[in-house]
Amino acid sequence: QVQLQESGPGLVKPSQTLSLTCTVSGGSISSGSYYWSWIRQPAGKGLEWIGRIYTSGSTNYNPSLKSRVTISVDTSKNQFSLKLSSVTAADTAVYYCARDRYYYDSSGYQDYGMDVWGQGTTVTVSS
Amino acid sequence: SYVLTQPPSVSVAPGQTARITCGGNNIGSKSVHWYQQKPGQAPVLVVYDDSDRPSGIPERFSGSNSGNTATLTISRVEAGDEADYYCQVWDSSSDHPCVVFGGGTKLTVL
Repeated sequence: QVQLQESGPGLVKPSQTLSLTCTVSGGSISSGSYYWSWIRQPAGKGLEWIGRIYTSGSTNYNPSLKSRVTISVDTSKNQFSLKLSSVTAADTAVYYCARDRYYYDSSGYQDYGMDVWGQGTTVTVSS
Repeated sequence: SYVLTQPPSVSVAPGQTARITCGGNNIGSKSVHWYQQKPGQAPVLVVYDDSDRPSGIPERFSGSNSGNTATLTISRVEAGDEADYYCQVWDSSSDHPCVVFGGGTKLTVL
């Protein structure tokens, strides 16, 4: 079955850019009706959606982070990536990647939720 | 932006029924998903599209959604159900459609 694995630096300096990659294994990132999302969770707090990408390159971002976020996809490597610029201590969190299933009906776009998650990777912003 | 409101905590004795609510403006018109997250682990989808269960999720987990409240119901609660639970919707009502999570509810099994 499909598995996701996050990778990237665990420590980032303030004002720099956080970069993470999610590798999809056990299936093609291009097959099926899926978006590919990034979610983060500060220690002891709730889940915050960062954004998502479709394999066409179409993206949606959390409005509160949109100015600092770029999500990209590399179908040849079966990966998608997150870049978050100008980081501060408030960006310290566990970062998850996830698969977001969707469908269309008579009402238009509908989603089925995030059915596969990576294990998460901890990113600390500190000098 | 769209807001989902969950109670911070719910407590229930083993064998009883736990109900976790998720409030939102006309949430009944949206598709609601529920995740279970145990300490140190990634979230797991337990209910999607208001009331469907992914394969491998026990029938004890069920969901409903109407009006301004969606509810996750866990029947015959077990100690292993103790976890944080999050509701989630896709909000397409604004110019910037996005995923929205509730603040989470900690389920304590007494």
